[in-house]
Amino acid sequence: SQQGEEDPQALSIQEGENATMNCSYKTSINNLQWYRQNSGRGLVHLILIRSNEREKHSGRLRVTLDTSKKSSSLLITASRAADTASYFCATELAGANSKLTFGKGITLSVRP
Amino acid sequence: DTGVSQDPRHKITKRGQNVTFRCDPISEHNRLYWYRQTLGQGPEFLTYFQNEAQLEKSRLLSDRFSAERPKGSFSTLEIQRTEQGDSAMYLCASSRGRDQPQHFGDGTRLSIL
Repeated sequence: SQQGEEDPQALSIQEGENATMNCSYKTSINNLQWYRQNSGRGLVHLILIRSNEREKHSGRLRVTLDTSKKSSSLLITASRAADTASYFCATELAGANSKLTFGKGITLSVRP
Repeated sequence: DTGVSQDPRHKITKRGQNVTFRCDPISEHNRLYWYRQTLGQGPEFLTYFQNEAQLEKSRLLSDRFSAERPKGSFSTLEIQRTEQGDSAMYLCASSRGRDQPQHFGDGTRLSIL
């Protein structure tokens, strides 16, 4: 089952604009992770945010987590054509194991 | 940190044949995971190891699938008597443990003729 659901499914913006992607989940988590995937390649880890954290930054990326609403957002500022990819949120559920449950992903297109 | 390595990158085989994939994790990572991804979907968990112990298997992992991590380093995933529905990207990831980032390889794309 897919615990994480991303929104929107697809996003097209102009280079230089900001991109905001959202993720909702259903059950308690240890952490939520965002990944990027270019066509035909593996997933690149972007940011991990733990359940006791509310916001994290990494370069042009900003991730927020609201555990009361069971939602997260990924903001990419000053987007570049190279940011064009699929983005996934994945949750590590609270409990003993560490498997990730992914959503279906968001396709981001950044027009030069 | 040389990253997670998977071999082969692509595998084309006829239905009914057996296939085996290999994953070399990041050297200091004790957890190793296998996921499967079909077109337009996110990865789905198959199984994971802590060192050489296989700790969990998904219901997706039928009896035709077997995974090993004999010395707690590299892992293999074998699919016996392949079926059309096995066509997918098989992804391997590794991590230092719970509540840690998982780092993925580039995957093995399996195509069943």
